[in-house]
Amino acid sequence: DGGITQSPKYLFRKEGQNVTLSCEQNLNHDAMYWYRQDPGQGLRLIYYSQIVNDFQKGDIAEGYSVSREKKESFPLTVTSAQKNPTAFYLCATKREAGAYNEQFFGPGTRLTVL
Amino acid sequence: QQQVKQSPQSLIVQKGGISIINCAYENTAFDYFPWYQQFPGKGPALLIAIRPDVSEKKEGRFTISFNKSAKQFSLHIMDSQPGDSATYFCAASPLNNNDMRFGAGTRLTVKP
Repeated sequence: DGGITQSPKYLFRKEGQNVTLSCEQNLNHDAMYWYRQDPGQGLRLIYYSQIVNDFQKGDIAEGYSVSREKKESFPLTVTSAQKNPTAFYLCATKREAGAYNEQFFGPGTRLTVL
Repeated sequence: QQQVKQSPQSLIVQKGGISIINCAYENTAFDYFPWYQQFPGKGPALLIAIRPDVSEKKEGRFTISFNKSAKQFSLHIMDSQPGDSATYFCAASPLNNNDMRFGAGTRLTVKP
């Protein structure tokens, strides 16, 4: 079954804790992205990676970190420095880094800070 | 800054009617315009996309109309069905670029 897997589906965090959201893909896509979605707002880009061991900040990278050690995996860490982390987080992929920007999304992780 | 403005925020349509959602953009470097459909608690799914070398693209009941001079594009859903009830996002991006800008979304409700 090909696609994008995000885990967990729901995540609860206490204030001051770091948490890591998983994103795995078996589509053999080069580029991967993390977006944040808040009610009534469009998706905002946190980080993206075009190739292994390389990633770039998006519009709202503060308080987040990522790694891209494998082509299939692009985990996102929400650090305690992120002041308002409660949101729906979406991972996306694109077939080729230089291709037109057709992005495919995973099912999302809902993060709630208690 | 919001580079893609989407309207309306919400839309209620009777079954069988036409749903129309509009988007406007500012950046003339945008040349790829997708629409995504999102059901509650799910990730967005790519519905249909257009490039500015055509003024219209149709896939089944879904049509994108594109007006390059006005920097506007719209999604038309013909014969709307209750199963179409979802949030729809427009987006815009330079063709070979990672900078995708999303509209704020339109919540569509199709009443039976």
